Amino acid sequence: QVQLVQSGAEVKKPGASVKVSCKASGYTFTGFYMHWVRQAPGQGLEWMGWVNPNNGGTNYAQKFQGWVTMTSDTSITTAYMELNRLTSDDTAMYYCATGGRGSSWPDYFDYWGQGTLVTVSS
Amino acid sequence: ENVLTQSPGTLSLSPGERATLSCRASQSVSSSYLAWYQQKPGQAPRLLIHGASSRATGIPDRFSGSGSGTDFTLTISRLEPEDFAVYYCQQYGNSPQTFGQGTKVEIK
Repeated sequence: QVQLVQSGAEVKKPGASVKVSCKASGYTFTGFYMHWVRQAPGQGLEWMGWVNPNNGGTNYAQKFQGWVTMTSDTSITTAYMELNRLTSDDTAMYYCATGGRGSSWPDYFDYWGQGTLVTVSS
Repeated sequence: ENVLTQSPGTLSLSPGERATLSCRASQSVSSSYLAWYQQKPGQAPRLLIHGASSRATGIPDRFSGSGSGTDFTLTISRLEPEDFAVYYCQQYGNSPQTFGQGTKVEIK
């Protein structure tokens, strides 16, 4: 069965960076874009971008361009999301999710990780 | 971008009742590429419906989706206790894909 297991919660100071991992199993890792979606406390869902594990290609939401980096390592079927220059507004749950249509964009999200809480506080 | 507006914000119903949730898009959703998700407190969202009306794997048939163009509906025919949650719609027919703000279905 498909599983996405994310790294543990993080506490960061303003201005720092955070890197969240997402270990995938149960499917062909290179066949599906890996998306990242975040959710601030009590708020809705916000798509951040995707990485194509097949070739490392990326597509970021305009809001995040220049301060997010998404990568993948096919040898360990793991995707990463790094967010720089953190502020308190970046305090949120960060989810990885697979695209339901594989390597199509835009797409819906059929499998989700359990989420990684990132707290930004001085 | 295609803005999705969900209504109502909160729906107060009793177990066994029918729930009707609306999702309206500011632009026509290409190819009826509209999905619905359920999210319970402390959990990741769960895909219910894609392609406006196709149930995801393992989703009970009391959940159904309908609509096209700019107006879409999620119907829960008879609410079970485990159905009380927040529901989000998402369109993926136009780039960038976008989410609605959510409808909370709460116990009356």
